[in-house]
Amino acid sequence: SAVISQKPSRDICQRGTSLTIQCQVDSQVTMMFWYRQQPGQSLTLIATANQGSEATYESGFVIDKFPISRPNLTFSTLTVSNLSPEDSSIYLCSVARASGDNEQFFGPGTRLTVL
Amino acid sequence: SQQGEEDPQALSIQEGENATMNCSYKTSINNLQWYRQNSGRGLVHLILIRSNEREKHSGRLRVTLDTSKKSSSLLITASRAADTASYFCATGMKTSYDKVIFGPGTSLSVIP
Repeated sequence: SAVISQKPSRDICQRGTSLTIQCQVDSQVTMMFWYRQQPGQSLTLIATANQGSEATYESGFVIDKFPISRPNLTFSTLTVSNLSPEDSSIYLCSVARASGDNEQFFGPGTRLTVL
Repeated sequence: SQQGEEDPQALSIQEGENATMNCSYKTSINNLQWYRQNSGRGLVHLILIRSNEREKHSGRLRVTLDTSKKSSSLLITASRAADTASYFCATGMKTSYDKVIFGPGTSLSVIP
């Protein structure tokens, strides 16, 4: 498994601002993903972060709202833009190696509260 | 809609008892994974079972997979208070080797 860290671990933001979340892995991985977990809910995939190219977004998620960067194989950022209270969630990154099993390992998550 | 559905949604048992959680899914899968989440923190990967496997063990965990019924179960034996958490199944679909889809989860409470 990989060791994954996320920054910040939590934040409280004002409506209309943006928050950028960082995800760092201790080894090179092929796949990186960003998930949202709304209060009391399961995880929903936002996008796959592709190294050196634009992220692949799932239905219902757009680049303008959730811009993602992945400059190398160990680091990615997710920005949640133009925040509203409905964006209050836990945001998690996960990683997987191209082993054919798509076994994913998760970071500790970032708890975002929007006032 | 989500690929997996889990039942029960919530489960409360006494310490020492066994806990069984079930997961059903709709389409063909490559594998199925179980995760644990404590109090809204990060997810811990528990076990992965491939579509050609029927049963896997890891410590006090036993996972079964029935592809004909499109269902899986997670059994935790001799439960402990520290097992209190939410448990999620996630399916890796044959049509997409890089993504997994999470079920709604089961909230387990183990009473000391």
